[in-house]
Amino acid sequence: DAKTTQPTSMDCAEGRAANLPCNHSTISGNEYVYWYRQIHSQGPQYIIHGLKNNETNEMASLIITEDRKSSTLILPHATLRDTAVYYCIVRENNAGNMLTFGGGTRLMVKP
Amino acid sequence: DSGVTQTPKHLITATGQRVTLRCSPRSGDLSVYWYQQSLDQGLQFLIQYYNGEERAKGNILERFSAQQFPDLHSELNLSSLELGDSALYFCASTLSGGFGETQYFGPGTRLLVL
Repeated sequence: DAKTTQPTSMDCAEGRAANLPCNHSTISGNEYVYWYRQIHSQGPQYIIHGLKNNETNEMASLIITEDRKSSTLILPHATLRDTAVYYCIVRENNAGNMLTFGGGTRLMVKP
Repeated sequence: DSGVTQTPKHLITATGQRVTLRCSPRSGDLSVYWYQQSLDQGLQFLIQYYNGEERAKGNILERFSAQQFPDLHSELNLSSLELGDSALYFCASTLSGGFGETQYFGPGTRLLVL
């Protein structure tokens, strides 16, 4: 699976959009971008995933650049409950279903 | 609540001992995954089972073993415990273990080896 690079930590004001970047410059054509988050030692929680097109669900939006070398997870209106570690994971479509977690970004949402 | 349950929540034991962690997948899910999260190694995949059979193996030590029973619950057995085995152990489940299926994680078991 391609390696990802994320900032170690970020702050965001409550009610504002949180934009979490992820670099995956070695991504290949059949690799998907997944985002999970982990709130304070709870089990990781799936957020969203995409291949080429931008994706949106009830939790977040995922913007993938045209060359697919980077992506941004957007939480449109961050709340205190969004404080968590966010993991960007790039996965091949034939590499089994296990997840390979990196260090993630620790997002702190502040009042 | 993901629907995945894990017991016990906390476990304190001594070096050299053996423990068993239990996981019940979401209703209808056939595949179970085990992950270890330690301070120095982060979240690491250990092993995956599908309908009772081992499907994939990650960085699982020889002292560790797992199985999935006919009722689909799974157990992770850790033996000859060392201080470094202290970690959070998570179980996740998916419908069939196929690529792209969302993994639903349980709340974890926190193991402390003294």
